Amino acid sequence: SQTIHQWPATLVQPVGSPLSLECTVEGTSNPNLYWYRQAAGRGLQLLFYSVGIGQISSEVPQNLSASRPQDRQFILSSKKLLLSDSGFYLCAWSVLGQGFYEQYFGPGTRLTVT
Amino acid sequence: AQRVTQPEKLLSVFKGAPVELKCNYSYSGSPELFWYVQYSRQRLQLLLRHISRESIKGFTADLNKGETSFHLKKPFAQEEDSAMYYCALLTGTASKLTFGTGTRLQVTL
Repeated sequence: SQTIHQWPATLVQPVGSPLSLECTVEGTSNPNLYWYRQAAGRGLQLLFYSVGIGQISSEVPQNLSASRPQDRQFILSSKKLLLSDSGFYLCAWSVLGQGFYEQYFGPGTRLTVT
Repeated sequence: AQRVTQPEKLLSVFKGAPVELKCNYSYSGSPELFWYVQYSRQRLQLLLRHISRESIKGFTADLNKGETSFHLKKPFAQEEDSAMYYCALLTGTASKLTFGTGTRLQVTL
């Protein structure tokens, strides 16, 4: 069966420090991959999505970047964190199944920038 | 641009009472809508989608294109329905989802 992993589960980082969040998917091939941020009172905001290795699309201008070095690996990065980068980050994947793309979400990473 | 609006941040109902979680959307194309749910200490997961026209855990949702709405309903709320509910709209390429801000449903005795 398919599984999605995210780590770390929680992270506290100072302003100006770098960031690397990792997401990996097991049990499927060539999935679409997504990074969302869940901020209090703002729901889930799509940050990046990828339809294949090395293919990254950004949805909103921001201090973050994403990379997909392998088919089932999706990384969210920043060179210098801002206070506003605090939030709950969710990775998701989807493939076409039963006639539509259902998105499956990981457990998330809670990032606090101090 | 597409938008999903969930006007209520919190909906509190008594057990056995009817539930209606509101969702309105704005989209120029043909909408495909979903409800996702997040129970306490669990992952966000799909509850239902409008195309399937199914009832999941007693919940139903009908797409009303005239009112651009996709409200989630259940005739009799149960304690285990307490969770965060998100309405989502499928848009564009790569099956991207636009989510609403979510409604927390609290079912009390």
